[in-house]
Amino acid sequence: AQTVTQSQPEMSVQEAETVTLSCTYDTSESDYYLFWYKQPPSRQMILVIRQEAYKQQNATENRFSVNFQKAAKSFSLKISDSQLGDAAMYFCAAIIQGAQKLVFGQGTRLTINP
Amino acid sequence: NAGVTQTPKFQVLKTGQSMTLQCAQDMNHNSMYWYRQDPGMGLRLIYYSASEGTTDKGEVPNGYNVSRLNKREFSLRLESAAPSQTSVYFCASSLTSVAKNIQYFGAGTRLSVL
Repeated sequence: AQTVTQSQPEMSVQEAETVTLSCTYDTSESDYYLFWYKQPPSRQMILVIRQEAYKQQNATENRFSVNFQKAAKSFSLKISDSQLGDAAMYFCAAIIQGAQKLVFGQGTRLTINP
Repeated sequence: NAGVTQTPKFQVLKTGQSMTLQCAQDMNHNSMYWYRQDPGMGLRLIYYSASEGTTDKGEVPNGYNVSRLNKREFSLRLESAAPSQTSVYFCASSLTSVAKNIQYFGAGTRLSVL
């Protein structure tokens, strides 16, 4: 079975600082994709970043980057230079090749302190 | 750019009432999905449609029916609403159901069943 676990229900960081959100997953498949989605108070689910399991290089998207440790089945999100607009729920998600459903973690609520 | 549009945004039902949640996408995507989000949990797949004319059950299909009306529209119906169906419902779409394709989400419908 495929599972995704986010062990940090809440995190907070000072504006302009760096924060890392943790995510672990479990799958016996070798071909899969990992995602981080952001859900602000508006409820809209917004894709932050995507990582292909077959790629060793960590994905980056402006201030957002991941630390993908395939052997450890870990997929953390680093947000640099945190901004007030980064405050949101962040969900880690995974999908294996051949499957249709994204499997989501429980989410981490990120607060940015001015 | 509208993307994925869901209606209504909010709905309150009494136990036993029926309703249909509407979803439309304007990205010419082939695959569409319905998820539900409960407090403290990530999204879980209810039903999906890999292509026009096909629908399949997801993780939590009981109590729901779906219709892929055409390529653009995918509706979710609650025939006899129950309090356990109180949740936030998200529609999503992707180019195809292949895992690498990003799923784009609507803004959600908050449903309360009394």
